[in-house]
Amino acid sequence: DVKVTQSSRYLVKRTGEKVFLECVQDMDHENMFWYRQDPGLGLRLIYFSYDVKMKEKGDIPEGYSVSREKKERFSLILESASTNQTSMYLCASSLPGYGYEQYFGPGTRLTVT
Amino acid sequence: ILNVEQSPQSLHVQEGDSTNFTCSFPSSNFYALHWYRWETAKSPEALFVMTLNGDEKKKGRISATLNTKEGYSYLYIKGSQPEDSATYLCAFTSGTYKYIFGTGTRLKVLA
Repeated sequence: DVKVTQSSRYLVKRTGEKVFLECVQDMDHENMFWYRQDPGLGLRLIYFSYDVKMKEKGDIPEGYSVSREKKERFSLILESASTNQTSMYLCASSLPGYGYEQYFGPGTRLTVT
Repeated sequence: ILNVEQSPQSLHVQEGDSTNFTCSFPSSNFYALHWYRWETAKSPEALFVMTLNGDEKKKGRISATLNTKEGYSYLYIKGSQPEDSATYLCAFTSGTYKYIFGTGTRLKVLA
């Protein structure tokens, strides 16, 4: 059974804290994605990685960075958390190239107070 | 600005009813359209990947059609069951890693 796991389902952090969201996939996929989902909006791409140490900015990268040191793990980093980063964060992976279905993790609901 | 719209935003149907919803997307530079089902407290999972104009896909009681020339896709559920209750998302790509997601249709099937 293919799986994408995320380190936490719920997380509460204070403004200014450094936050790490971890994602691990067991399908040997090259592509990995980080999205956020907010009420009334579709999933929005924060960052994309197509290989180890390779990354591309998505539509809303400001305030975030990513790390991919191993193929199976893709980390999202909030350098200094702010209240407007309170959101649901979803990680996904897919085969290389474009158009392949994405496999999603269960999401992390982050609250920044 | 590329936009993907889904309608309706939400609907309630009785068990056994058939239902359908719409995903509208840009008709130019089409590469693929995905449909996902997202149940509460679970991960979104792919239902269909559609790439060709006129595509029709089916999985059990759920089917989808695609019209790339006019920029829409329909998702049909025949004989809805309570376990079909979920949010149904569509996502469009023009052939890059960027997918544009709709806001989803929330379906509630009443027993």
